[in-house]
Amino acid sequence: EVQLVESGGALVQPGGSLRLSCAASGFTLSTYWMSWVRQAPGKGLEWVANIKQDGIEKYYVDSVKGRFTISRDNAENSLYLQMNSLRAEDTAVYYCARGLGSSTGRGDYWGQGTLVTVSS
Amino acid sequence: DIQMTQSPSSLSAFVGDRVTITCRASQGIGNDLAWFQQKPGKAPKFLIYAASSLQSGVPSKFSGSGYGTDFTLTISSLQPEDFATYYCHQYNTYPLTFGGGTKVEI
Repeated sequence: EVQLVESGGALVQPGGSLRLSCAASGFTLSTYWMSWVRQAPGKGLEWVANIKQDGIEKYYVDSVKGRFTISRDNAENSLYLQMNSLRAEDTAVYYCARGLGSSTGRGDYWGQGTLVTVSS
Repeated sequence: DIQMTQSPSSLSAFVGDRVTITCRASQGIGNDLAWFQQKPGKAPKFLIYAASSLQSGVPSKFSGSGYGTDFTLTISSLQPEDFATYYCHQYNTYPLTFGGGTKVEI
């Protein structure tokens, strides 16, 4: 059974940092693009970042470029999102998803989400 | 960036109704469009890809159509479990984008 389990969400002050993790199981992580998507309270879905199977090719939404870094450890079956210089507008539930935007996966599996709150 | 505009933003319907949701892209995306369903407090569920291909395990009451800039999601006979928010999503070009959502209420 495919499972994605996020962790690492917390209350953090503006300007602070946080690292989210996504533990993958039930499939071979190294064969899929992986994604982070966020949802601010009461708002719609916003794609944040994608990373290719080899961990080299990466894409970000403009609002997080230079502040967030997506990475992966295929051997550990894990996906990460390092978030620096956090702002109030980064407050959201963060989901990891399998293969959003790729020809395999396409967003077929999502984790349950982890809440990041940026506030003083 | 490609903007995805859904209409309506919300609708009220009865059990058994046929419901159609529209999604328009700000530029042509071929058939690189997916639909997701989301219930409160839950992760999105993948319904349709390539504009009209039903994901495995998704009931056939869901159908999608369209190409280029105009797309639709149809639910042929609304059931209680279908009351949710639906999002379209383009994956033709980075940044990937979602529509604003359509909330389907009783």
